[in-house]
Amino acid sequence: GAGVSQSPRYKVAKRGQDVALRCDPISGHVSLFWYQQALGQGPEFLTYFQNEAQLDKSGLPSDRFFAERPEGSVSTLKIQRTQQEDSAVYLCASSLEPGSSYNEQFFGPGTRLTVL
Amino acid sequence: SQKIEQNSEALNIQEGKTATLTCNYTNYSPAYLQWYRQDPGRGPVFLLLIRENEKEKRKERLKVTFDTTLKQSLFHITASQPADSATYLCALAYQGGKLIFGQGTELSVKP
Repeated sequence: GAGVSQSPRYKVAKRGQDVALRCDPISGHVSLFWYQQALGQGPEFLTYFQNEAQLDKSGLPSDRFFAERPEGSVSTLKIQRTQQEDSAVYLCASSLEPGSSYNEQFFGPGTRLTVL
Repeated sequence: SQKIEQNSEALNIQEGKTATLTCNYTNYSPAYLQWYRQDPGRGPVFLLLIRENEKEKRKERLKVTFDTTLKQSLFHITASQPADSATYLCALAYQGGKLIFGQGTELSVKP
């Protein structure tokens, strides 16, 4: 019954390491979004799922970024061969209905990734 | 591509006054515009949504306007309180639900 949860809350990785960030959306929510937020900036869209289908991945910055939601609930954002410019807060959001511009999105607390 | 500008500087106001935050965008108007609040270390929290054919929307002490001619939205908090101190984000909502956010405006309400 709780809100959107994300884990880990903090992740420190050495440059070149692979990381996996998890998102547990609100139960029953069809839509799931990933955003990247740099310090002092607004969130930037990465990708969108409707159930298990990834309908929009236009915001993924490179092919090192990969997201999945295999059973239409939990989602994982994977970043391969991390670079320093990947350091940011990664936010997950879910909404009840299929992607629509009038739905409010419920955000998790984010995962702060620091790449050394 | 779409560009969104919010008040670039932090806004400092006295308790009880009205805070007004600005969101300007370029290019085409979205069907909806949303406002979120974000506290340090937390994810954004939805506040209000306004449709392109609505001029104004209110919720308790909050008021949002949407002018598609000026390509601008104004967000007002009346009778502001120290607890209103946070970063406020405007977001343009597009088909599919994707949100395009501004950079946010940090509001500080002093007692």
